[in-house]
Formats: sequence, structure tokens, C-alpha cells
Amino acid sequence: DQQVKQNSPSLSVQEGRISILNCDYTNSMFDYFLWYKKYPAEGPTFLISISSIKDKNEDGRFTVFLNKSAKHLSLHIVPSQPGDSAVYFCAASEGAQKLVFGQGTRLTINP
Amino acid sequence: DAGVTQSPTHLIKTRGQQVTLRCSPKSGHDTVSWYQQALGQGPQFIFQYYEEEERQRGNFPDRFSGHQFPNYSSELNVNALLLGDSALYLCASRQGGPRSGNTIYFGEGSWLTVV
Repeated sequence: DQQVKQNSPSLSVQEGRISILNCDYTNSMFDYFLWYKKYPAEGPTFLISISSIKDKNEDGRFTVFLNKSAKHLSLHIVPSQPGDSAVYFCAASEGAQKLVFGQGTRLTINP
Repeated sequence: DAGVTQSPTHLIKTRGQQVTLRCSPKSGHDTVSWYQQALGQGPQFIFQYYEEEERQRGNFPDRFSGHQFPNYSSELNVNALLLGDSALYLCASRQGGPRSGNTIYFGEGSWLTVV
């Protein structure tokens, strides 16, 4: 039972353009959502989060959008840079406890 | 300020053996969680420790056990290793208890290969 799904295993974007990574969830009790970035041979690095009481949160080039009615969130990166190439994980939690992760999306930024 | 540190970084074990992985949380953090990440998958929650007690557990068998010490460091033990236990084991820490809502930070992980 995959409660958090990232349906795109990979995404390729040109440098300078917008990268949009998507995530769907099924558990309506989730109230906190996060995006992590992972390079090979490293642990996940926290990027940005959003509480279910908001629908948008921005941090520099990164913006996360939450659509509770659709149980969907997305991460926008603009402009995309070569250093953004990594695997991105969407995660969700209920009551700020354990994280439930999606399968990840490998983002490649092409020069 | 050291982040979450884990040891060993890589290890190879034989089926049926036992393994212990270690984690030191980020300075000031008191809550430690362990995750298993199989190849091509997202991390899966194993369990969480706070105040030296297991507070929450994921869908993992009893072969997986843990411990938290008074200095907040933690160990993950896996008994009777199976080939399917081969994975990256991630330790994560946060400050202020399981429900604090504070950011969770991950270590770089311990790669376990079972042969």
C-alpha cells in the first residue's frame, strides 16, 4: 500500500528552465509534507516543507504547492541549475511523526 | 557542528549473521529514527527512539531491534540476516521530541550487503 507516490521515475530539464516534480498521496490524515534531495552515496538533504494549513511555501528557487482536495503536491525549481541534478523524494507525515516517502524522481538538468 | 553521523559506512555480512549499526544524532537532537532504503525505493520507516524508548515502529519484523543511549546516540540491530535485508540504512534525528515538528536531518547511511 503505497501512501505516497511519485509517478515519474525520471525528469530531464534544460538549465535555466523550470523543473516541476509531482507527488500524490492517499492518506487524508497527513498534515505535513516535505521534499528531500539525495545525491549518490549521501543521505537525503531537507529542501523545503509545507504544513497542510498552507497551499504554498517558497524558499529561494524552490516552491512547494499543496492541493489538499486533489491530495497532490508539487515542487517547482526555477531556474534549474546543473547542481540540482539529484533524486528528489517527497515525504509526508501525520502529527509530525514518522515520514512516509515516495519512490523518488531522478532529476537531470541538461546544460 | 557535526550533522548526523553513522558507522560503519559499508559492510558485508553473511546470511544468518547479526549486524549492529550505529548513529550519533546532530548536536542538540534528542529523537532518533531509522529508515531502510532498498535500491530504487524511497526510505521505509523502521522505528523511532525518544527518551531511550521505542516510540513508534514501522512494519518490520522483530529481527530488527534498536536502542537509544543516555547521550541520545542509537544502535540498530538486525538478527538472522536475510538477503533481502541488503539496503542502505539511514539514521535521522530531530530536536524536541517526536511531535516537535522540527526538521528531520539524515545521516549519510550505512550500506549493508548480505551475501
